[in-house]
Amino acid sequence: GAVVSQHPSRVICKSGTSVKIECRSLDFQATTMFWYRQFPKQSLMLMATSNEGSKATYEQGVEKDKFLINHASLTLSTLTVTSAHPEDSSFYICSAHTPTVDEQYFGPGTRLTVT
Amino acid sequence: AQSVTQLGSHVSVSEGALVLLRCNYSSSVPPYLFWYVQYPNQGLQLLLKYTSAATLVKGINGFEAEFKKSETSFHLTKPSAHMSDAAEYFCAVTGNFGNEKLTFGTGTRLTIIP
Repeated sequence: GAVVSQHPSRVICKSGTSVKIECRSLDFQATTMFWYRQFPKQSLMLMATSNEGSKATYEQGVEKDKFLINHASLTLSTLTVTSAHPEDSSFYICSAHTPTVDEQYFGPGTRLTVT
Repeated sequence: AQSVTQLGSHVSVSEGALVLLRCNYSSSVPPYLFWYVQYPNQGLQLLLKYTSAATLVKGINGFEAEFKKSETSFHLTKPSAHMSDAAEYFCAVTGNFGNEKLTFGTGTRLTIIP
């Protein structure tokens, strides 16, 4: 099946710094990528949807200036958490979709800890 | 708009017993339904999906689910639980062919008793 990778798998940063998380589709072209956030023992909540070459669409309540999403190519999307704070600590998961199949493929997730 | 409700945040079954994880959905359009499994500190793995074809869907690892429109349900079952089935399970719904956002249920943690 299709493979989606995320880098890094874990990151620890200090409060006030920025962190970039990469999501790559390794063997297919992803026209749409999704970014989810999962707090401990909770479900996944969609943060934003990004289509290659256009601006991301953010869900209600998600600060677009804090969570910068770039989908510059059909195989790469990045999520940058700017001026991170401890409450941003979470598990971030991306997924990718290609029109040829009727499902999304999920990455392994990135554990962000802000100290 | 779509939503899913997973009844039971925790389910425990004995090894070899039937596994039944419940999911009810709400959708204003014909739904596409998914079950995912998540192991600790990992991403999601697709178990099976319903995309308006056969109502009984077979997935990986011996799991299956039946789409029942009259009951708005998509319960996940496995005849005989294995220790390796212990994980978090999420039901999800989307109203389009996979390129719209997935709405997830709150998850069910499955524990297998030896």
